[in-house]
Amino acid sequence: GQNIDQPTEMTATEGAIVQINCTYQTSGFNGLFWYQQHAGEAPTFLSYNVLDGLEEKGRFSSFLSRSKGYSYLLLKELQMKDSASYLCATMDSNYQLIWGAGTKLIIKP
Amino acid sequence: GAVVSQHPSRVICKSGTSVKIECRSLDFQATTMFWYRQFPKKSLMLMATSNEGSKATYEQGVEKDKFLINHASLTLSTLTVTSAHPEDSSFYICSARGLAGGPDLETQYFGPGTRLLVL
Repeated sequence: GQNIDQPTEMTATEGAIVQINCTYQTSGFNGLFWYQQHAGEAPTFLSYNVLDGLEEKGRFSSFLSRSKGYSYLLLKELQMKDSASYLCATMDSNYQLIWGAGTKLIIKP
Repeated sequence: GAVVSQHPSRVICKSGTSVKIECRSLDFQATTMFWYRQFPKKSLMLMATSNEGSKATYEQGVEKDKFLINHASLTLSTLTVTSAHPEDSSFYICSARGLAGGPDLETQYFGPGTRLLVL
């Protein structure tokens, strides 16, 4: 079967670092995506990993381990505007996205 | 680059009427467009995948006669909700994926979404 797990909600402090984990089991694998979705808005693309390792993009980094079926999104120097849901999605063998339920990140001052 | 627009952003209609939502890729050609719906505090649900010039592929449980999809060109796809009912009220979001060989072949870029309220 196909399954993606990520925590439902996380809380962090402004200026701190937070890591959002995602584990997956999918039929075929053509990469893993992270999207950010603010309440009432559509998702925006953050990162795409298809090879093992860490991809850094400014304050955001994404890590993938294909052998472990595991990824994480690392957010540094948290800002209040980072309060949003973070969606993990894998691309299966048919190039379709399989979505996690999302992690709601709450940033406190 | 990779901007997707959606129109309208909000629509309120009476039960029984039809509503058309447009999705356009503004600065790239999209071979494939996707239509999602999302209920409050719920995950995205894929409704259908549409390839330019061919019939859309609907996900299980999505009525193709109710949700008509047309992908007439490489930059435009439309979703028509026919005979809308209050239970069709939702946030409808389209996404687009570019042409083969482009730098962003795999990535889906999302439109801003259309909030539909059926009275």
